[in-house]
Amino acid sequence: GAVVSQHPSRVICKSGTSVKIECRSLDFQATTMFWYRQFPKQSLMLMATSNEGSKATYEQGVEKDKFLINHASLTLSTLTVTSAHPEDSSFYICSARRLVGTQYFGPGTRLLVL
Amino acid sequence: AQKITQTQPGMFVQEKEAVTLDCTYDTSDQSYGLFWYKQPSSGEMIFLIYQGSYDEQNATEGRYSLNFQKARKSANLVISASQLGDSAMYFCAMSSGPNTGFQKLVFGTGTRLLVSP
Repeated sequence: GAVVSQHPSRVICKSGTSVKIECRSLDFQATTMFWYRQFPKQSLMLMATSNEGSKATYEQGVEKDKFLINHASLTLSTLTVTSAHPEDSSFYICSARRLVGTQYFGPGTRLLVL
Repeated sequence: AQKITQTQPGMFVQEKEAVTLDCTYDTSDQSYGLFWYKQPSSGEMIFLIYQGSYDEQNATEGRYSLNFQKARKSANLVISASQLGDSAMYFCAMSSGPNTGFQKLVFGTGTRLLVSP
């Protein structure tokens, strides 16, 4: 299957700081990338859909000013959690998709905000 | 709106036995896709199998098969010859309809499978 990487795999930060998470598709060009959030023992919830070269589409209830998404190239999307607070602590997973086909997921990033 | 229901929070199976993980869905779309993903304790989501709503044959991928019953709106995952490495969370998901380019995935709550020796 296709390979999607995420960096960092885990991050601990102080409340009020911003954290950037990178998602890369390593062996294909991803026209669309998705960002999900998963709380412990819960399912994945889609946060936003990101198409290369255009603004991300956010799901209802997700603050676009808090979760900044940039999809600058066909292989890279970034999620920046701005002014992070303890309630933002979660597992963030990205996925990437070609023009058509299956979504392939990254390994996820565990964020802990102290 | 699409909805995925997984009614089994946990399942136990002995090694080498087969196990069925249940998934039912609800959608008003005529065209949709159904997926199963495996999530081990490391957290990564591993794609297992896909079934399109217009596919007449049940999908199979190695030890995984999808028992697709369209009239009952069910898409159960069957794992044959379970292995210890199959212990993980399993999520059923559905892609939304043509208006969104089949892009969005809606996930069920998951089933934790434990395979015992």
